[in-house]
Amino acid sequence: DAKTTQPPSMDCAEGRAANLPCNHSTISGNEYVYWYRQIHSQGPQYIIHGLKNNETNEMASLIITEDRKSSTLILPHATLRDTAVYYCIVRVYSGAGSYQLTFGKGTKLSVIP
Amino acid sequence: DTAVSQTPKYLVTQMGNDKSIKCEQNLGHDTMYWYKQDSKKFLKIMFSYNNKELIINETVPNRFSPKSPDKAHLNLHINSLELGDSAVYFCASSQDRGTARYNSPLHFGNGTRLTVT
Repeated sequence: DAKTTQPPSMDCAEGRAANLPCNHSTISGNEYVYWYRQIHSQGPQYIIHGLKNNETNEMASLIITEDRKSSTLILPHATLRDTAVYYCIVRVYSGAGSYQLTFGKGTKLSVIP
Repeated sequence: DTAVSQTPKYLVTQMGNDKSIKCEQNLGHDTMYWYKQDSKKFLKIMFSYNNKELIINETVPNRFSPKSPDKAHLNLHINSLELGDSAVYFCASSQDRGTARYNSPLHFGNGTRLTVT
C-alpha cells in the first residue's frame, strides 16, 4: 500500500506556480519522499526527492514540513507540457538492500492556457 | 542514448501464447524492476532484481518469470497469456548499493503495451 495521499486532480493556469500537496503521516525517519510524473502513457519521469530539507532542481522545488508528515511539490512556472499525473511516493526498504517505490493514484494536474 | 530501453514497444498476441519482453539499462545500476500498469492506470511492482538475485516478487502468477542474464538486463517471460495480462509493462533500474542506497531514483523505460486478444 502506498503511504501517501494526494488530491485526485488539480488545475493550474499556464505561467503560474503549481503547488501539489502530499500527505505522508506514517513516514519513517530514513524514508525519502520522491516525486515522479507520468505524461500520457510514457514511462514515469523522476522529478525530485528529499529527506527532510527543502530541495530544488531545474524542474521543481520540494518543500517538506518540519515533522515530515507532508510535502509540497512546486512547479514555479507551469507550462502546457507539465500536464501529467504527479505521484508522491515514500520509498520503503523491502529487504536485502533494496528499496521499493509503491505508486498511489497520484494527482492529475491540468495546466490551462 | 536511451538509459532504460524496452523491446518491443507494442506487442499484440493471442491467448495461450508465450511471449518475452526485453529490458536493458546502460546506467551501470545494480537493481532492475518490472512494473505493470493496468487499464485503470495503477502502477504496481512485479519483480525486483539486485545483481541477478530476485529481491521482490509480489503476488504475480507463476506464468510470469523474470530472467536476468546480467546486471544490465532483465527480461520478462510470460507463458500461456491471458486476456487479463493486457497492460503496459515498465522496466526500471536504480543503484541500491553503496552510498546511493537511500536516495537513488528509479529510471523508467517507456513501456511495452501488451494486448492479448
